[in-house]
Order: sequence, then structure tokens, then C-alpha cells
Amino acid sequence: ETVLTQSPGTLSLSPGETATLSCRASQSLASTYLAWYQQKPGQAPRLLIYGASNRATGIPDRFSGSGSGTDFTLTITRLQPEDFAVYYCQQCDTSFLFSFGQGTKLEI
Amino acid sequence: QVQLQQSGPGLVKPSQTLSLTCDISGDSVSNNAVGWDWVRQSPSRGLEWLGTTYYRSKWYTAYATSVKGRITINPDTSKNQFSLQLKSVTPEDTAVYYCARGFRWSFDYWGQGALVTVSS
Repeated sequence: ETVLTQSPGTLSLSPGETATLSCRASQSLASTYLAWYQQKPGQAPRLLIYGASNRATGIPDRFSGSGSGTDFTLTITRLQPEDFAVYYCQQCDTSFLFSFGQGTKLEI
Repeated sequence: QVQLQQSGPGLVKPSQTLSLTCDISGDSVSNNAVGWDWVRQSPSRGLEWLGTTYYRSKWYTAYATSVKGRITINPDTSKNQFSLQLKSVTPEDTAVYYCARGFRWSFDYWGQGALVTVSS
């Protein structure tokens, strides 16, 4: 079973700065199977990126995803106040089993 | 616009069965390009995918190893919904449960979430 490890656990930045969030998989996975989500308190997760680098519908181009193999990155440029939230990566492995990382909290 | 509306009891006694339903609008449970999934979230376990049902000329299901043997996910084409049943629950099953649509190996639409507490 593939385990996703996100770093850092907490990232403290200011509006206008750039956030770089990391997601490392315990075994190599195809980019197709890696996604990123944003979650705010009391809300369901919101899909940001699918297939490692494809923005979901309605997601601003300040959000971008990259990476391959075992190392993936979510980059958020020009941070806005509404971007401060918890971010999760998610994968689907070859057994068609899904799992999530433990999350990175982006705080002001 | 796809919308998912969850329903079900918020309190379940230990050893009993947790049952939730997810009503789909704006899509069909029989859509052969997507899956219909359940995900839960708790402070101790984080986000945990539980399982899926999907239609590809016939119905399929897949379940997480952690709940296999206790879980059933069923589609209901007459009501355009799908359901979750989790048997023999313990306090460890206390969580916010979400239904979601699976597409392109990710989850693009989510229900509103429902806190289910397992307690006597």
C-alpha cells in the first residue's frame, strides 16, 4: 500500500508570498494518479489539481502542480487571504486503492 | 452542476451498523465514466478513503483494506443514489463521512459531510 508523506506539517507565510508544498510517495506512481485538495474548517475538501499538474474547473492559475515518480509539489503563488487552509495530496495505486497524505497547514 | 446530498443518523451504538445515503443530482449513478465513493475524516486517521462503486457495463465495487469485510457500498438506480453500510462499528469509526464523485483518479464533487458518532 502506497503511503503519502507531506511536508512541512505547517507552513507560515504572508499574503503575496509563494507557498511550496511537498508530497512524497513510498513507491513510484504515475502522474495520472496524483491529486491535490484544499480544505477549510467545516468544509469538504475541494479538488485543486488532478493528474499531478491539471487544474480542476474554476481553480485560479496561481495554483500549479508538478512532479513525477515519488516526488510531487503544489505551488501557490501570490498568496491570497483565502488560500490559508489545509492542503492534502491523494493517490490511487495499481490496486485501485486510494489514500491521502496527512496534510500541510498553510497559515498566516 | 453535480450536487451530492448526504443523509443518515448521526449517532450509532457500538456493534451496530452505520448506514448513510448519498443522493445525486446533476449526474447519474450509472454514468460509466465516474465512480461513487465514500471518504471519512477523523483527527486520529485523517482523510481515509473507504470504497467505491462504479458502472462499466456492470456494477463493480472496491473497498479499503482497513474496512474490508465490514463495508458495503450499493448503488440504487431507481433513486439515483448510493449508500454506505459499515457493520460492527466501534468508537474508532467515529468520523465525518463524505460521499464523493470519483473522476480522473480524483474526487471532484463532495457531499456536505456528516458527523457520525459511535457511542452507547
